[in-house]
Amino acid sequence: QKEVEQDPGPLSVPEGAIVSLNCTYSNSAFQYFMWYRQYSRKGPELLMYTYSSGNKEDGRFTAQVDKSSKYISLFIRDSQPSDSATYLCAMSEREYGNKLVFGAGTILRVKS
Amino acid sequence: EAGVTQFPSHSVIEKGQTVTLRCDPISGHDNLYWYRRVMGKEIKFLLHFVKESKQDESGMPNNRFLAERTGGTYSTLKVQPAELEDSGVYFCASRQSGANVLTFGAGSRLTVL
Repeated sequence: QKEVEQDPGPLSVPEGAIVSLNCTYSNSAFQYFMWYRQYSRKGPELLMYTYSSGNKEDGRFTAQVDKSSKYISLFIRDSQPSDSATYLCAMSEREYGNKLVFGAGTILRVKS
Repeated sequence: EAGVTQFPSHSVIEKGQTVTLRCDPISGHDNLYWYRRVMGKEIKFLLHFVKESKQDESGMPNNRFLAERTGGTYSTLKVQPAELEDSGVYFCASRQSGANVLTFGAGSRLTVL
């Protein structure tokens, strides 16, 4: 069993839609949870960083962590064609992002 | 501020040959990481340098892989001899001590034929 499960998609939505991306994990020692965005031929770029359970909002993006269910989500409001990318969840046991464990990534396509 | 620079961007070699990948981290970032993504798999951790010292190399797949960071600046990852299963994208990332953000490079794509 993989430590982190993430549906690879692709997920195709119309412009303006609310997008929900999710990951589940098995390692209860994970304390730090991240979402990265990766455009084609580029490296992953950090979008959201959260510690333990709860919600965090940044503009059109909201990250949720439910440690009791070992489930994390990223919501994108008013999605734009420029949001089309691969979204990767990542987790670590220790602070400062050392030794991240990544999900497979979900390909998102926002159609104009 | 310049980002994390990796080269070559793409390398095609024959099985059994040697390849050296280079990473130039953001200036002042003591922490440097190597990750890789092989076809169809997740991005996986390879190792972590703090300055010139290997902090964690638990993700290195075998002794055909050698990473160095002489002087605590740029890093190299050598694969010798390369095997078919080494094909993938090798990412380097750097982080300033005390910060949570890893900045990734664009990756070096390795194709072993």
